[in-house]
Amino acid sequence: AQSVTQLDSHVSVSEGTPVLLRCNYSSSYSPSLFWYVQHPNKGLQLLLKYTSAATLVKGINGFEAEFKKSETSFHLTKPSAHMSDAAEYFCVGMEYGNKLVFGAGTILRVKS
Amino acid sequence: EAQVTQNPRYLITVTGKKLTVTCSQNMNHEYMSWYRQDPGLGLRQIYYSMNVEVTDKGDVPEGYKVSRKEKRNFPLILESPSPNQTSLYFCASSSRMEGPEAFFGQGTRLTVV
Repeated sequence: AQSVTQLDSHVSVSEGTPVLLRCNYSSSYSPSLFWYVQHPNKGLQLLLKYTSAATLVKGINGFEAEFKKSETSFHLTKPSAHMSDAAEYFCVGMEYGNKLVFGAGTILRVKS
Repeated sequence: EAQVTQNPRYLITVTGKKLTVTCSQNMNHEYMSWYRQDPGLGLRQIYYSMNVEVTDKGDVPEGYKVSRKEKRNFPLILESPSPNQTSLYFCASSSRMEGPEAFFGQGTRLTVV
């Protein structure tokens, strides 16, 4: 079975500095991987997805993620944080039957 | 507009009073699922459905029922709610052929007293 591990439960950055949210996965086959964002009292919004095409994936709001098979990682990055990026971020894998496997989430705090 | 609609958004109920949370999607997706989100535990799958009349248990199915009589609807039923079912619930839909990313409803915050 697939598993997804988010390595940091909380990340704090200053506005204008880079963001790095780390995610490792384990899967016996080539996975589909996603990053979702959840703002307070809101639903989950898709940031980006990897589905066996290009290993560097660009998403909305300036976010990117790189799939590294050798490291079993799918880290989320953004060159410059905005205050509006403060939210909880989920790394998610997909198994057979489109079953989603969630990481525990990373809360991103952006300081002014 | 493509969307997943959950109702109600907020619900306070008493222990033992049967309730249903509805979920409807307008994208003709074959896969639908329910998750609950609890602090410190993330999102956990309750039930999922791969198509009409095909449902299966997820990771935390105890105390819940589902049905999939139509492709667009996937209601979550709590026959006898208990306080430990107080949680934030999300419905999601997806399609292997059109994604495969999942689309989520806005959530239902349930409190059982």
